[in-house]
Amino acid sequence: TQLLEQSPQFLSIQEGENLTVYCNSSSVFSSLQWYRQEPGEGPVLLVTVVTGGEVKKLKRLTFQFGDARKDSSLHITAAQPGDTGLYLCAGSSRMKTSYDKVIFGPGTSLSVIP
Amino acid sequence: DAGVIQSPRHEVTEMGQEVTLRCKPISGHDYLFWYRQTMMRGLELLIYFNNNVPIDDSGMPEDRFSAKMPNASFSTLKIQPSEPRDSAVYFCASRQQANYGYTFGSGTRLTVV
Repeated sequence: TQLLEQSPQFLSIQEGENLTVYCNSSSVFSSLQWYRQEPGEGPVLLVTVVTGGEVKKLKRLTFQFGDARKDSSLHITAAQPGDTGLYLCAGSSRMKTSYDKVIFGPGTSLSVIP
Repeated sequence: DAGVIQSPRHEVTEMGQEVTLRCKPISGHDYLFWYRQTMMRGLELLIYFNNNVPIDDSGMPEDRFSAKMPNASFSTLKIQPSEPRDSAVYFCASRQQANYGYTFGSGTRLTVV
């Protein structure tokens, strides 16, 4: 059974601090996505990474896909209250039938205090 | 584009009643997914469709749950009869093709009393 683990589960920091959250699995993924979910809303896609070792930047957010495509990290620089939310990673595996199977991690709940 | 549209946003019903959740995906997206989110279990895939055809329904909890996609612009998830343990937020999501990210709707918060 494929599983995605995320750490930490909860994180509360002061505005302006830096942070890193992690997404780990024993399985290899063909791609991995990061989402942010705010209360009362659905998850919103932040980024998709496909190549092992790939690094993508989205303003103050830096995403990295592990070389073996089993893990990923999200680093936020100078966190702001607007970054508050649940961060979800989702791994995609290509199945024999050519369809892909996507599993979601449990999420990291981030709270940025003004 | 208005995004993925779900209705209703909130539903409160009594145990044993039938519940129907509705979803309009983004035009041109070939895949449609139904997910359930709870604090205990996170996001769970219930079923997904490709070009209106159900591909994987292994996540559907039991026979009380059924989903249809009669055309490319509409899908329903039905629970009959509903039970208190079905209380959760149900999300619909659509996607253009494999290896692309999802666009989620705002969800339906279902409470079964």
